[in-house]
Amino acid sequence: DAKTTQPNSMESNEEEPVHLPCNHSTISGTDYIHWYRQLPSQGPEYVIHGLTSNVNNRMASLAIAEDRKSSTLILHRATLRDAAVYYCILTGRGAGNMLTFGGGTRLMVKP
Amino acid sequence: DAGITQSPRHKVTETGTPVTLRCHQTENHRYMYWYRQDPGHGLRLIHYSYGVKDTDKGEVSDGYSVSRSKTEDFLLTLESATSSQTSVYFCAISLLGTGDTGELFFGEGSRLTVL
Repeated sequence: DAKTTQPNSMESNEEEPVHLPCNHSTISGTDYIHWYRQLPSQGPEYVIHGLTSNVNNRMASLAIAEDRKSSTLILHRATLRDAAVYYCILTGRGAGNMLTFGGGTRLMVKP
Repeated sequence: DAGITQSPRHKVTETGTPVTLRCHQTENHRYMYWYRQDPGHGLRLIHYSYGVKDTDKGEVSDGYSVSRSKTEDFLLTLESATSSQTSVYFCAISLLGTGDTGELFFGEGSRLTVL
């Protein structure tokens, strides 16, 4: 399975944008890039996913490099509620959504 | 809200006893999953189901069995609980009918302690 590499932790100030990087140099042509986050004492929560093009939704934006070997999750204005562990996950089409979670990035948001 | 509930939310049991965790969904989704989460590890897939009576193993299936006799319920059973199975267990459902790429919705978790 293609692996992802994320920084262990990042800090941000409240109301500032946050860019969370993810490297996936062994990604295959059919792998989708998913982002989930997990708030303290809760189950993971879907954030966004994409294949080749950048994606936007109400929670975040996903910027995918042209060679697809890296991606960046963008939170446009961090709030205290965004403090969580963010997971970047690759999954192939038809894989039944069997997500393989790594260690993720722990985002700390300072007021 | 995808209508997923887990029970029990907390359980303390003794080594060697059987334990069953239940995941219930209200929206007829085909794919359901059981994950466990331990300190220092991300979530790891135990078993999943792609339909009634259709299940398969995940990454850490040893010591666990599952059953899905109806669409809405996916049961995870520890036949003889061990201390290494102390964990937080999360159920998830796929919000796409085919289980293809898309959003997973997770329950709130069941914290199991095996003494």
